[in-house]
Amino acid sequence: KNQVEQSPQSLIILEGKNCTLQCNYTVSPFSNLRWYKQDTGRGPVSLTIMTFSENTKSNGRYTATLDADTKQSSLHITASQLSDSASYICVVSGRGNTPLVFGKGTRLSVIA
Amino acid sequence: EPEVTQTPSHQVTQMGQEVILRCVPISNHLYFYWYRQILGQKVEFLVSFYNNEISEKSEIFDDQFSVERPDGSNFTLKIRSTKLEDSAMYFCASSEVRLNTGELFFGEGSRLTVL
Repeated sequence: KNQVEQSPQSLIILEGKNCTLQCNYTVSPFSNLRWYKQDTGRGPVSLTIMTFSENTKSNGRYTATLDADTKQSSLHITASQLSDSASYICVVSGRGNTPLVFGKGTRLSVIA
Repeated sequence: EPEVTQTPSHQVTQMGQEVILRCVPISNHLYFYWYRQILGQKVEFLVSFYNNEISEKSEIFDDQFSVERPDGSNFTLKIRSTKLEDSAMYFCASSEVRLNTGELFFGEGSRLTVL
């Protein structure tokens, strides 16, 4: 069964600190992996999309990595800000028209 | 910046009533989707729509649900007879190309509360 598992479920960090969120997936055949940021009560907003051939991709203070062999991805947030407080969702796309598979997300809280 | 817009932002309805949620996808996008997210749970796929017909649907999307694109700009989700368990945030999304290659843009959601 195609699944996406994320860890940790929630995380609290101090402003200015770095953190890394994890994603493991079983979706096959694989097409791409996405990380979304979802503020409470809002729609998800795309941070990165990575295909099979990409190992790392950055978007400002967000850096995503992908290991397609072990089916793992991480999202690293550098120098966290209060506005980074949100849920971060890992989403995997299979090939063809198969629907996206969503993880449950990691709830990040950045505190002063 | 182009965006997906949804209305209403919040709707409260009585169980058994019909609800229509509306979406205006990004203008040059060809693929449209509805997702839902029950409070505290993950985003779930409902249906995808391309070329004026449903291309994929999930087990959630039963006979109580329907979608249409009545006028070339709006994309609607209708729930014929709402149940308590339909209470959720409903997200519309659109993409320019197929999802295995393209970016997916979400609207801000319509919160449905069924009493």
